[in-house]
Formats: sequence, C-alpha cells, structure tokens
Amino acid sequence: DADVTQTPRNRITKTGKRIMLECSQTKGHDRMYWYRQDPGLGLRLIYYSFDVKDINKGEISDGYSVSRQAQAKFSLSLESAIPNQTALYFCATSDHATFSTDTQYFGPGTRLTVL
Amino acid sequence: TQLLEQSPQFLSIQEGENLTVYCNSSSVFSSLQWYRQEPGEGPVLLVTVVTGGEVKKLKRLTFQFGDARKDSSLHITAAQPGDTGLYLCAGALSTSYDKVIFGPGTSLSVIP
Repeated sequence: DADVTQTPRNRITKTGKRIMLECSQTKGHDRMYWYRQDPGLGLRLIYYSFDVKDINKGEISDGYSVSRQAQAKFSLSLESAIPNQTALYFCATSDHATFSTDTQYFGPGTRLTVL
Repeated sequence: TQLLEQSPQFLSIQEGENLTVYCNSSSVFSSLQWYRQEPGEGPVLLVTVVTGGEVKKLKRLTFQFGDARKDSSLHITAAQPGDTGLYLCAGALSTSYDKVIFGPGTSLSVIP
C-alpha cells in the first residue's frame, strides 16, 4: 500500500463549487504539505503543517484553506473554485523541518479541472 | 521574484547516450535537491547537495552543486528507458520549507 494517498485522483468541477482534496499518510510523519504543479511553473507551496495544531501559509494560499484533522490526515479546500485553480495538486510528508536534511514523500497527485 | 530555471525544457535521446541537464538561478541556495517525477506519480527525491562544489553520484547519475551555490547539473551516463521522466530541481533560500523554489523541470525521454 502507498505511504501517501490522495483522493480523488481526478476531479472535474464547475466555477464556484466548493472542492475538498484529501491526503492520508501511514509514514507517521508530523509534517505535511500541499503543493500545486502547473506546466512551466514547477511546484508551488500552498500550505504546510508541522503538527496537528500548526498550520502555515505557503507562497500561494489565497483561495485555499486547509484542515489537519489528525497526524495522518491533511485536507485542502477550494472554497469557490475558479478556472485558474486548474492544476495538479500534490500532498507531501516529511520527518524533519529542515530542507537540507529532509526527504519529502509525495502522494500520486490529484488532477483538478475547473470549468 | 525568485526564479529557478532548468534547461533544456525537453530532451529526447537514444538509449546509451549521455546527457546533462542544468538548473540555474541568480539566487544563492543553502541546499538544492533533485527529483524525478514519472507520469501519474509524485516527485521522488534523488539527492540533496549542500556544499558549493559538491559532487554526488548515484549509480549512473552524477550531481554537481556550483561553487557559488547558484546552479547545479545532473549528468546521466548511458541513459536507459527507465530514466525517462521529469527531472525537477528545488533550491532552498533558507532552511525553512516556505523558502524553497522548484524549477519547472526537464522532461527526458529515452528511446530504446
């Protein structure tokens, strides 16, 4: 079984709808992250959480919110989806807070299309 | 705006050939990581380089961090079809994850 799972894997929705993307991990890591990937732009950090009570905004948090329901679960919500939120979304986990000594483990991604 | 550029954007080569892909910025990074991403999957970490001038080898892959810590290269010797994928570099402007920049990637296709 995969260590980091994301649901759904694909989703098509309409402008204005509320969408929730879910992430679960079995690695026992405290730290979890949400990124979006757009062609030609690389991965950009949306939100990250270093433990259940800690939520931090990333580079592009506007239009998104998150919930850390448990150590193993981190959800990303789009309150009112818009077409420029069409992207590939990745959840990741890690064991350390310092990039240079850490390994992030990514889920398989959710492809979201907003019409 | 901090930018991390990767070149070439696309690369298609025959099995057995050597290749080098590049990651460049005007910013100085405290460390830099290389990932490989296959279609339908998330990125997988290949290596982290920390010291300017550092060279790391992973089987047929050689990673180098520039002396000034602004650039990096990935060299693959005798490429195999299994090397096909999107190669991403990510540089850290500090030790914190919210200061990490990902490049757009180099898409490599190795033809049998």
